[in-house]
Amino acid sequence: GDSVTQMEGPVTLSEEAFLTINCTYTATGYPSLFWYVQYPGEGLQLLLKATKADDKGSNKGFEATYRKETTSFHLEKGSVQVSDSAVYFCALSDTTGGSYIPTFGRGTSLIVHP
Amino acid sequence: DAMVIQNPRYQVTQFGKPVTLSCSQTLNHNVMYWYQQKSSQAPKLLFHYYDKDFNNEADTPDNFQSRRPNTSFCFLDIRSPGLGDAAMYLCATSRTSGNSPLHFGNGTRLTVT
Repeated sequence: GDSVTQMEGPVTLSEEAFLTINCTYTATGYPSLFWYVQYPGEGLQLLLKATKADDKGSNKGFEATYRKETTSFHLEKGSVQVSDSAVYFCALSDTTGGSYIPTFGRGTSLIVHP
Repeated sequence: DAMVIQNPRYQVTQFGKPVTLSCSQTLNHNVMYWYQQKSSQAPKLLFHYYDKDFNNEADTPDNFQSRRPNTSFCFLDIRSPGLGDAAMYLCATSRTSGNSPLHFGNGTRLTVT
């Protein structure tokens, strides 16, 4: 079945540092890939998405590129801020079998210090 | 703004006392989901509605039920809450396309005393 693997957290960085959160996936078809962010005490929000190979999703300075050859969708940001402290979830939706139910990774906590 | 609204934000119930959580949406999405999220874990899908069709996950306990009286509203009923049911409960909506992301509410934090 489909699965998403994220790097273990927490990831702890100083403000303005470069961020990478690794995400790899297994899917039988051609999934769409998503990053969601969850701030403390809130629900998940869509951060960015990519729907086909080599697409780059971007939002709020975050980027991720859909790499079919390495089945990866790593999240990057060039300069993090304290306000980026949150939990980040990688997810996929694989409609090959007619399903629209997403599969989530376990989440990676990011802590940014001033 | 179109959105997903969950009420209440915080709910305290007693062990074994039934509780209902509510969710409403103005997005007119045909799919609505209920997730359970425990601390430091990914959301766990309990069930979802595709229009009026109810879809239960195989490992969702019978203690959890859901109702969707119309497109806009969906309810989660916990018939006899146990201490292990304390969690954040998240409602989400989407269109049925696999490209369509989920739109989440801010959740209801359930405490069982």
